[in-house]
Amino acid sequence: AAGVIQSPRHLIKEKRETATLKCYPIPRHDTVYWYQQGPGQDPQFLISFYEKMQSDKGSIPDRFSAQQFSDYHSELNMSSLELGDSALYFCASSLGRLGSQETQYFGPGTRLLVL
Amino acid sequence: AQSVTQLGSHVSVSEGALVLLRCNYSSSVPPYLFWYVQYPNQGLQLLLKYTTGATLVKGINGFEAEFKKSETSFHLTKPSAHMSDAAEYFCAVSATGNTPLVFGKGTRLSVIA
Repeated sequence: AAGVIQSPRHLIKEKRETATLKCYPIPRHDTVYWYQQGPGQDPQFLISFYEKMQSDKGSIPDRFSAQQFSDYHSELNMSSLELGDSALYFCASSLGRLGSQETQYFGPGTRLLVL
Repeated sequence: AQSVTQLGSHVSVSEGALVLLRCNYSSSVPPYLFWYVQYPNQGLQLLLKYTTGATLVKGINGFEAEFKKSETSFHLTKPSAHMSDAAEYFCAVSATGNTPLVFGKGTRLSVIA
C-alpha cells in the first residue's frame, strides 16, 4: 500500500539559511499534519491542513510557514534557520471527514541538521 | 485539552517475558488513544488505536491495550517479548480522529536475550 512520502529524507543547512520540506500524503487523504521531533523528544505538533485550508496550529515558529496544494501535497518552509531547528520533521496524513475516527499515518520523516 | 503521561522512560525486559508499557491520559472529552512505535532512524508506525466500542484493543505484532476510563489509562502489553520489539513506544491522544495528536514523552523498550 502507498505510504506518506517525504522529501528530502536528509537536509543539512547553515544558520540563517532557508529550507523547504515536502510531504505527499497517501492517495485520497485530504488532511496533512506536520510534527517536529527534537533529539530524544516526543513529536510536537506544528500545523495541519484540511482541504487546502489551515485547520489547526500548534507550536510553529513565525519563521516557518506551510501550505497545502491542490494535489494535497504540503510544503513546510523554514527561514532564518537556527541551530535549535535541527530535528526530525514528520508529516502525517489522514482522511478528514468531520467527526470521523481516522488514523494519522506518518511518513519516514526529514532529518534536518542546521550547522 | 489533552495530555499523556508515560510512566518510565526506559523499560527493560528479558526475551519471552511480559511487556507492560504504561500510559495515562487526561482529556476533557472522550479521547481517542493510540500507540505508535518508532524504530531507530525511522518514522512512527501505528500499533493500535482505541476510538469507541470494545475497550480491549488488539494491534499488530501481538500487542494489545486496554482502555480503562475509571483509571484514565491505556497500558500496552505483549505476553512475550521478542528481540525485534526493542524500540521507542509513544502513547498519543486526540480529541477526535482529525485533530492533532498529543504525544507522551515515550518509553524506550530494551529486550535482553
